[in-house]
Amino acid sequence: GENVEQHPSTLSVQEGDSAVIKCTYSDSASNYFPWYKQELGKRPQLIIDIRSNVGEKKDQRIAVTLNKTAKHFSLHITETQPEDSAVYFCAASTGGSSASKIIFGSGTRLSIRP
Amino acid sequence: NAGVTQTPKFQVLKTGQSMTLQCAQDMNHNSMYWYRQDPGMGLRLIYYSASEGTTDKGEVPNGYNVSRLNKREFSLRLESAAPSQTSVYFCASSDQRRAGNEQFFGPGTRLTVL
Repeated sequence: GENVEQHPSTLSVQEGDSAVIKCTYSDSASNYFPWYKQELGKRPQLIIDIRSNVGEKKDQRIAVTLNKTAKHFSLHITETQPEDSAVYFCAASTGGSSASKIIFGSGTRLSIRP
Repeated sequence: NAGVTQTPKFQVLKTGQSMTLQCAQDMNHNSMYWYRQDPGMGLRLIYYSASEGTTDKGEVPNGYNVSRLNKREFSLRLESAAPSQTSVYFCASSDQRRAGNEQFFGPGTRLTVL
C-alpha cells in the first residue's frame, strides 16, 4: 500500500524567512496530494492541494511542487508569519471519482521565531 | 451548516470497557473516514466508507468496528478498549464529485484508556 514519508519532523525559521517541507510517496498510482495545517488543539484543515497533472500550484504565500518521476512533493511557505506556526501534514491518495484511502505523513511542527 | 460533528469530546475508559464514537455530517458527502492521531505519528486511517452501505479497512483497523448508519452518520466502536487505543480520534467526510478529495474534519474525540 501507499507509504508517505515527511521531513523534517520539526522546523524552526526566522519570521520573514521561507520554510520548506518535503514528502515522498511510494504508490505511483497516487494522483492527489493535499497539505493540511493543524493548529494546537484544533482539527486539520486543508491549505493547498495538487493533482498529478500539475507540477506547481501557488496560493499567495504558499506553493506546492510535485515531481512525479521522483515521487516527491514539497510545501513552500514564503515570508513566514507567527500565525504560520502549526503542524503541517502532507498526504497522498489515488483520488478519482470514488473514495480512496488518503495516507498522511507523520507531520512537521513548524515554529516561527520572532 | 455544522459541518462534521463528533461526540463525545472527551472520554475516559477502563481496560476492557466498550464504547461507540459518533460522527455526523450535514454536507451531503458520500464518503466518511475515521482516523486516530497519536503524538509524532500523524493521522492514521482506521476505517473508511466510500458510500452508504460500504466500509473498508484502513491502515490500523484492528480492535475497531464501524457502522455507516446512513449517509450522514458513521460510528466507530471499540468492543474491548486497551491502553494502546488512547488517542485523539478524528472523523472526516469528503465528496469526490464536488470537492475532489478534500477531507473535512470534525473537532475530534480525546479518548483515554486506563
